[in-house]
Amino acid sequence: NAGVTQTPKFQVLKTGQSMTLQCAQDMNHEYMSWYRQDPGMGLRLIHYSVGAGITDQGEVPNGYNVSRSTTEDFPLRLLSAAPSQTSVYFCASSNSVPGGTIYFGEGSWLTVV
Amino acid sequence: DAKTTQPNSMESNEEEPVHLPCNHSTISGTDYIHWYRQLPSQGPEYVIHGLTSNVNNRMASLAIAEDRKSSTLILHRATLRDAAVYYCILRAYSGAGSYQLTFGKGTKLSVIP
Repeated sequence: NAGVTQTPKFQVLKTGQSMTLQCAQDMNHEYMSWYRQDPGMGLRLIHYSVGAGITDQGEVPNGYNVSRSTTEDFPLRLLSAAPSQTSVYFCASSNSVPGGTIYFGEGSWLTVV
Repeated sequence: DAKTTQPNSMESNEEEPVHLPCNHSTISGTDYIHWYRQLPSQGPEYVIHGLTSNVNNRMASLAIAEDRKSSTLILHRATLRDAAVYYCILRAYSGAGSYQLTFGKGTKLSVIP
């Protein structure tokens, strides 16, 4: 019963490097999303997807790309890392049932130096 | 987007009930009220949700005001493991608002032994 799996859990990047945070869910959920959480703050939506092949921007999309080629996977790409992207990243998934539960991954801690 | 207002922090003695309030005066008729909690260094986890009627589950109870402009999460007997940040979130019935969730700073609950 894996739920939502994120990798890596910890990563240190140099400014300008690129990387991909992986997210996979095994619950056949249509909806997947990425959030970032800065110290002492709530979560802010980066990008989301309502199904394979469909993605859209959230509140803070700049500097990030996503794709959704399968129902299970929703990777988040940092194109050219900046210190302002130092944060904790959470992937989430849910089904389309009205009011359905949202499941979160355990988080990916990213530091950009 | 419909917003919620919660106190920044609350304290409770262990084994006593805790009432965590949330105001959502701009809630629409089809918004679901969700509560999630986040333990330190973990992703948010589902606690409870409801639409109009009060709800109970093994973790907590949710009391929803008759006009739906406020709700209260009730932990019947606080334990040290309940120390977390609790988020009250409105989730739309469908459409883009169904997954464009807005997380505030939540209420940080401290449990005193």
